[in-house]
Amino acid sequence: GQQLNQSPQSMFIQEGEDVSMNCTSSSIFNTWLWYKQDPGEGPVLLIALYKAGELTSNGRLTAQFGITRKDSFLNISASIPSDVGIYFCAGQLVGGGSQGNLIFGKGTKLSVKP
Amino acid sequence: GAGVSQSPSNKVTEKGKDVELRCDPISGHTALYWYRQSLGQGLEFLIYFQGNSAPDKSGLPSDRFSAERTGGSVSTLTIQRTQQEDSAVYLCASSLTGGGSGNTIYFGEGSWLTVV
Repeated sequence: GQQLNQSPQSMFIQEGEDVSMNCTSSSIFNTWLWYKQDPGEGPVLLIALYKAGELTSNGRLTAQFGITRKDSFLNISASIPSDVGIYFCAGQLVGGGSQGNLIFGKGTKLSVKP
Repeated sequence: GAGVSQSPSNKVTEKGKDVELRCDPISGHTALYWYRQSLGQGLEFLIYFQGNSAPDKSGLPSDRFSAERTGGSVSTLTIQRTQQEDSAVYLCASSLTGGGSGNTIYFGEGSWLTVV
């Protein structure tokens, strides 16, 4: 079945550093979604991307929908301790498929050293 | 309500008992998803409802798991004869429409199930 490869799986960074994570697939998507999950909470939507090449920012977060429609990245600038959590990408497939055409990456666990 | 609402938020049950988890999606959302998340792990797809179409049950791990969605709104996930490996967070999500139509999916806070 379709898969999303999300990397890195985990990362430790120094406060103030920039962070980058990405998701890739062999499938074509028409939507990319990035979520953050804090401990004990459900995933919260950070950024939604709907067009190939789209670059969208939300505060210190920037995400892009790859031109090939098979990948997306999320950048966090000037990280702070509250950025700690698990970040998930999700792609919605172009027609067909199962699982509601929604595929999730396995997550990137971000830990920040204060 | 303003968001996806799930209940109970926490449930501790004895092995072998049945449990029901409820999801109340955002009003007007036709697509509803159930996922399972073990501690520190990713999201495991369970089932997907879209309008009046037959649900996609391809992710249900065994016949002890079932879900229904009455009236196209509230959904109930039922786990029969619970086992310790069923312990996890059960997350519900909804979107305005589904099927790859480019709508945002919103999650509830989850129901934390512990089987002892």
